[in-house]
Amino acid sequence: QKEVEQDPGPLSVPEGAIVSLNCTYSNSAFQYFMWYRQYSRKGPELLMYTYSSGNKEDGRFTAQVDKSSKYISLFIRDSQPSDSATYLCASGLNTDKLIFGTGTRLQVFP
Amino acid sequence: DAGITQSPRYKITETGRQVTLMCHQTWSHSYMFWYRQDLGHGLRLIYYSAAADITDKGEVPDGYVVSRSKTENFPLTLESATRSQTSVYFCASSGSHSPGATNEKLFFGSGTQLSVL
Repeated sequence: QKEVEQDPGPLSVPEGAIVSLNCTYSNSAFQYFMWYRQYSRKGPELLMYTYSSGNKEDGRFTAQVDKSSKYISLFIRDSQPSDSATYLCASGLNTDKLIFGTGTRLQVFP
Repeated sequence: DAGITQSPRYKITETGRQVTLMCHQTWSHSYMFWYRQDLGHGLRLIYYSAAADITDKGEVPDGYVVSRSKTENFPLTLESATRSQTSVYFCASSGSHSPGATNEKLFFGSGTQLSVL
C-alpha cells in the first residue's frame, strides 16, 4: 500500500462546477500537506500547502486536512477550463522526502 | 532567465548506455531533488541533496548516481540504462526543509522525457 493514495480519475466536469479532489495517507506522523498542479508536459507547481488540520482558502481553492481520518482534500469553486490539469497531493514529515499521490486528471469543459 | 532548468528536454538511448541528465538552478537553493514520474506510480524520489557534497537516497535509487560539487548543479547519471528507466524525470529545488519556513516550497523544472530502447 502506498503511503499516499489518490484516485487517478479522470474527472470531467462542466465549467462552473465545484470540484472535489481527495487523497488519503497512512503515516500519522506526517505533518506537511500539499497540493501541486501539473499542466501537460510541464513540471508540477505548488498550489496550496498546510501543516495542520482544518481548512485553508486561497481564492477559488480550499485545502482541507482531517488528521483524525488521514484525509486530504482540495476543493475548486467555479471551475474554469484553465483548471484542466493533473492535481497531485503530497504529504510527508518535511520536503526532504515528500510522498506524492499518483495524481488526478481533471478536465473542465466549457 | 532565473529558475530551474533541465537538459535535455528529450533523450532517446539504448540499453546499457550511460546517460546524464542535467539540472541547474539559479536561486542558490540548498536542497535539490530528482524525481521520476510514471503512470500509476506518480512522482517518486530518486535522490536528494541538502547541500553541495551531501546527497542521500530516496525511494527508488537503484541504477542511478548523483553528484553535487556545486550548489547550483545536480546531475543525474544512469550508469547502464535499462528499459525500466524509461520515464519522465523532474529535478526540483527548495530553500529549506523546515515546515513553516517561507522558502520550503518545491520548484520543479520542466522535465526530461527519457526513452530507453
